[in-house]
Amino acid sequence: GAGVSQSPSNKVTEKGKDVELRCDPISGHTALYWYRQSLGQGLEFLIYFQGNSAPDKSGLPSDRFSAERTGGSVSTLTIQRTQQEDSAVYLCASTGDGANYGYTFGSGTRLTVV
Amino acid sequence: AQSVAQPEDQVNVAEGNPLTVKCTYSVSGNPYLFWYVQYPNRGLQFLLKYITGDNLVKGSYGFEAEFNKSQTSFHLKKPSALVSDSALYFCAVRPGSARQLTFGSGTQLTVLP
Repeated sequence: GAGVSQSPSNKVTEKGKDVELRCDPISGHTALYWYRQSLGQGLEFLIYFQGNSAPDKSGLPSDRFSAERTGGSVSTLTIQRTQQEDSAVYLCASTGDGANYGYTFGSGTRLTVV
Repeated sequence: AQSVAQPEDQVNVAEGNPLTVKCTYSVSGNPYLFWYVQYPNRGLQFLLKYITGDNLVKGSYGFEAEFNKSQTSFHLKKPSALVSDSALYFCAVRPGSARQLTFGSGTQLTVLP
């Protein structure tokens, strides 16, 4: 597609429920990133996929968080047993190859845990 | 590990005046530096980047930034601010050897009419 698409744009869930957030990157982009943006804070790196390599999961805050990327394209971020502190905007970005790339971000999913 | 500091949470400037949004960084090796802007309820949009070459980088919407290696800074500037420039601005850095960006905490720019 022309841009990075994220769905849903808004999600309200009850504490303890599982949620899945979807990211559809720009066609042909080999790298995909998930970040979390909490109110009044910067962007916190979560996970990074590069081609067929094993993902860099070093930013995932707990084992309740997981992500996968199928067929080198669409990615799903799953949060199990959601907690109120998980409330944030989850941003996805993708990039192409090359040393001079910059990220293209989606509009994000605003997750509210009540 | 790399880090980015944006020392000002909020910057206010009158329309037509020059604006500066400050950013300092810490990274091993040569830095790749970026500025992004975020409008309300939107994702981040790329403004400009420094990879190598001329220390003064020009980007979108009349913005520019100057890479200063000795001061490890990459301040964002614009000669004449517009009300429409009001937004949240993020500085980001990565070492040349990595692909993951580290972002600052953001600076809310408000341009007053």
